[in-house]
Amino acid sequence: DTAVSQTPKYLVTQMGNDKSIKCEQNLGHDTMYWYKQDSKKFLKIMFSYNNKELIINETVPNRFSPKSPDKAHLNLHINSLELGDSAVYFCASSRRGLAGGGETQYFGPGTRLLVL
Amino acid sequence: AQTVTQSQPEMSVQEAETVTLSCTYDTSESDYYLFWYKQPPSRQMILVIRQEAYKQQNATENRFSVNFQKAAKSFSLKISDSQLGDAAMYFCAHCPYGGSQGNLIFGKGTKLSVKP
Repeated sequence: DTAVSQTPKYLVTQMGNDKSIKCEQNLGHDTMYWYKQDSKKFLKIMFSYNNKELIINETVPNRFSPKSPDKAHLNLHINSLELGDSAVYFCASSRRGLAGGGETQYFGPGTRLLVL
Repeated sequence: AQTVTQSQPEMSVQEAETVTLSCTYDTSESDYYLFWYKQPPSRQMILVIRQEAYKQQNATENRFSVNFQKAAKSFSLKISDSQLGDAAMYFCAHCPYGGSQGNLIFGKGTKLSVKP
């Protein structure tokens, strides 16, 4: 069974379009994350949700909106796509640590987004 | 600001030999967590090893071990008996302690090649 899954794995779209990436985890974790990996392989946190509540919202354009319908799902919706949004987007999940933080994060396979 | 530095963009090792990947980090906190993740060409992010800063004992996982020097803020990864399957990007990551953030801060990665 796939622990953290993302759909789609590849997404090619035109500038200005709106697209969504879905993420689901079957690990029973309370916390989910979105990371962006740029063309130089640099990974950076975008959002973190704990039990459907937004915890981290790094400096991300408001064209990016995470949605968590339940604690097993964290979807990423992107409006008005730009060329610079081309990247690999990773979803991850973890338990909520007893004192918070530091729990191992399990990553999905990534979604490669290409904006033309 | 918390940062993670991997000073070796690329490394190469002969199969069955040992290689050490360097990582330093900057934090003002005394409690935190450190991780090494591996990203093979398949793009999947795979946890290699995890270390709690309050533990003096270095973490080990089979052929993988770390040299954690808290005072020097250094967290190197040693891979023994290197195998062809170890070829990948390796990312060092720091996670602050406390709250439910679990915000992983990644280094820029080291690309490891394994020669047969």
